[in-house]
Amino acid sequence: EPEVTQTPSHQVTQMGQEVILRCVPISNHLYFYWYRQILGQKVEFLVSFYNNEISEKSEIFDDQFSVERPDGSNFTLKIRSTKLEDSAMYFCASGKSRVITDTQYFGPGTRLTVL
Amino acid sequence: SQKIEQNSEALNIQEGKTATLTCNYTNYSPAYLQWYRQDPGRGPVFLLLIRENEKEKRKERLKVTFDTTLKQSLFHITASQPADSATYLCALDIATSGTYKYIFGTGTRLKVLA
Repeated sequence: EPEVTQTPSHQVTQMGQEVILRCVPISNHLYFYWYRQILGQKVEFLVSFYNNEISEKSEIFDDQFSVERPDGSNFTLKIRSTKLEDSAMYFCASGKSRVITDTQYFGPGTRLTVL
Repeated sequence: SQKIEQNSEALNIQEGKTATLTCNYTNYSPAYLQWYRQDPGRGPVFLLLIRENEKEKRKERLKVTFDTTLKQSLFHITASQPADSATYLCALDIATSGTYKYIFGTGTRLKVLA
C-alpha cells in the first residue's frame, strides 16, 4: 500500500541554523500539508499546498517557514533560522483531492530537536 | 473562542469492554468530523469520517456518532483489545480556500488492560 515517507526521522540542529525537512507524498496525490506536534501537545496545522502554491497557512507559519515542491516527488519544509520552540514532530500529509472523503494520509514524522 | 476538547487525557479499560471517547467542540460548524489513531512516535492514521447529516457511522468494531446540536462526537470501540491501546484524536475540517485543513483535539490516550 502506498505511503507518505519523511526524512530524516530525527534531525538535531543548533539554534539559528536552517533545516530542511523532506517528504515524499503518495504519488497520485495533489494536495500536500505540513503539521507539527510539540511533545505532549496536539497536532497543529501549518500549511497546505496545491498546484505549486500555498493554499492556506496558519499563524504559526511565519516568515521563517517556507515550503517547496522542487521536483515531481518531493515536498519540503524549510525553517530558515530555527528557535528552541521549533522543537517538535513535523508531519507531512497528502491527499488525492479536495473532496473531504479523500482523507489525508500522514507520514511517520520527523522529530526536530533544536539545541 | 474556538475549542475542541476530548473527554479525558487517559482512559483505562478492561479487555473486552467497550471504550467510549468523547469529542466536544465550541464555535465551530464543521461539515465533517474525523477520528484518527496515533501510536507513540508515529503520524495519525485515519479511522472514520462522519458527515454533519449522519448520526452514526460504523466500521468493524468502531462506531462514531455526531450530534451537531450538542456539538459532540462519541467514538466507541467494542470488544476492546490490548492492541487498541493508542491515542485517539478527533479532528474537524475547516474548509477554506478550497482546501481542507484539520483542527485536531488534544487526544485521549486509551489503554486496554489484558
